[in-house]
Amino acid sequence: DIQMTQSPSSLSASVGDRVTITCQASQDISNYLNWYQQKPGKAPKLLIYDASNLETGVPSRFSGSGSGTDFTFTISSLQPEDIATYYCQQYDNLPPIFGQGTRLEIK
Amino acid sequence: QLQLQESGPGLVKPSETLSLTCTVSGGSISSSSYYWGWIRQPPGKGLEWIGSIYYSGSTYYNPSLKSRVTISVDTSKNQFSLKLSSVTAADTAVYYCARDIPSYSRPPYCSSTSCYMGGWFDPWGQGTLVTVSS
Repeated sequence: DIQMTQSPSSLSASVGDRVTITCQASQDISNYLNWYQQKPGKAPKLLIYDASNLETGVPSRFSGSGSGTDFTFTISSLQPEDIATYYCQQYDNLPPIFGQGTRLEIK
Repeated sequence: QLQLQESGPGLVKPSETLSLTCTVSGGSISSSSYYWGWIRQPPGKGLEWIGSIYYSGSTYYNPSLKSRVTISVDTSKNQFSLKLSSVTAADTAVYYCARDIPSYSRPPYCSSTSCYMGGWFDPWGQGTLVTVSS
């Protein structure tokens, strides 16, 4: 199976900060990479698909980039409602694999 | 607006079979455009894809669970179901159902009988906690 490694595993930032999370695949997955947000006690929500495409209705402060093995997820200006755990997910190979998650807290 | 809702027992004994149903509302499970998937999350841990099903009944399972998993669909009830046999404490998790949206930018994974289009999961049900304990 492909391994997906997210970093950092947790991070603390202030409202208004630019936040960046990375996801590294153990092999080339082209741009077959998605990002989800999971708020405490809730189901995950799709934010970005195919590495850089913003899902309809998702605020434009969220963005994604990358291809091959290295991917980046960015929040341009952190808002209090962005407190959540973020997961990447690859679908280049079966089974679809999720990263271990990055927990984002407000400083 | 498409909604999914999981239902089933919250407590299952070790060695028995876990059974859950996902009811889809606001859209048809018979749409040829989508698959329907199950994903689980052990308490405090990450997400694991269990498998997906097409309305025709074609199924695709995670190899790590394949020997114990059965996913089925009932188009007349707009539902799909999960059965996981021989459960242990390691199967304790929140179980989510989700629409599995295929990406046409990637070639499908094909077996001798069917093809599965990988993609993304959206929306998800609220999830249901299943505890395996005697």
